[in-house]
Amino acid sequence: EDKVVQSPLSLVVHEGDTVTLNCSYEVTNFRSLLWYKQEKKAPTFLFMLTSSGIEKKSGRLSSILDKKELFSILNITATQTGDSAVYLCAGGLNAGNNRKLIWGLGTSLAVNP
Amino acid sequence: NAGVTQTPKFQVLKTGQSMTLQCAQDMNHEYMSWYRQDPGMGLRLIHYSVGAGITDQGEVPNGYNVSRSTTEDFPLRLLSAAPSQTSVYFCASSPPGDTGELFFGEGSRLTVL
Repeated sequence: EDKVVQSPLSLVVHEGDTVTLNCSYEVTNFRSLLWYKQEKKAPTFLFMLTSSGIEKKSGRLSSILDKKELFSILNITATQTGDSAVYLCAGGLNAGNNRKLIWGLGTSLAVNP
Repeated sequence: NAGVTQTPKFQVLKTGQSMTLQCAQDMNHEYMSWYRQDPGMGLRLIHYSVGAGITDQGEVPNGYNVSRSTTEDFPLRLLSAAPSQTSVYFCASSPPGDTGELFFGEGSRLTVL
């Protein structure tokens, strides 16, 4: 059975800390690994990773994929209170048209001032 | 920019009632989908569409119907609501190509009593 497991489930840090969020996956016909940020409402897209070892970066956020060990990490440096959210990881499959994604349960990050 | 618009944001139904969740997008995306998000279950795909007149089932389609008469609109119908359908529902659309990016609506919280 395909699955995506995120750890930790929740995390509380202080502003300025660096955090690492983990995502491991077991996905048949794996195509891509995606990260989303969900604040109070809709998830918003952060990164899509398809190749091992190539870091994707956007401001203070970065992510990398290891296709041999089947995991990805999302790093957030110099955290701010606005980074407080649930971070979702999803495995994308080669599944024709349906863009099938297997979602993890998320890591809830709270950044305290 | 409207993006993906869902209505209603909140709805309470009694068991056996029917209702339609509306979803509209103004980005001319061919791909649209409906997810439900439940605690401890993650996001699960209900139905999806790759263009007007084309719909298909996702992981959890039972109890839900969809249609796609236009590119813009993708309504989700509950024919006979059950308490197990209490959830937060998200509509999402995606641009062409393999970007991995889903644009989500703000969600509709449905309670079935």
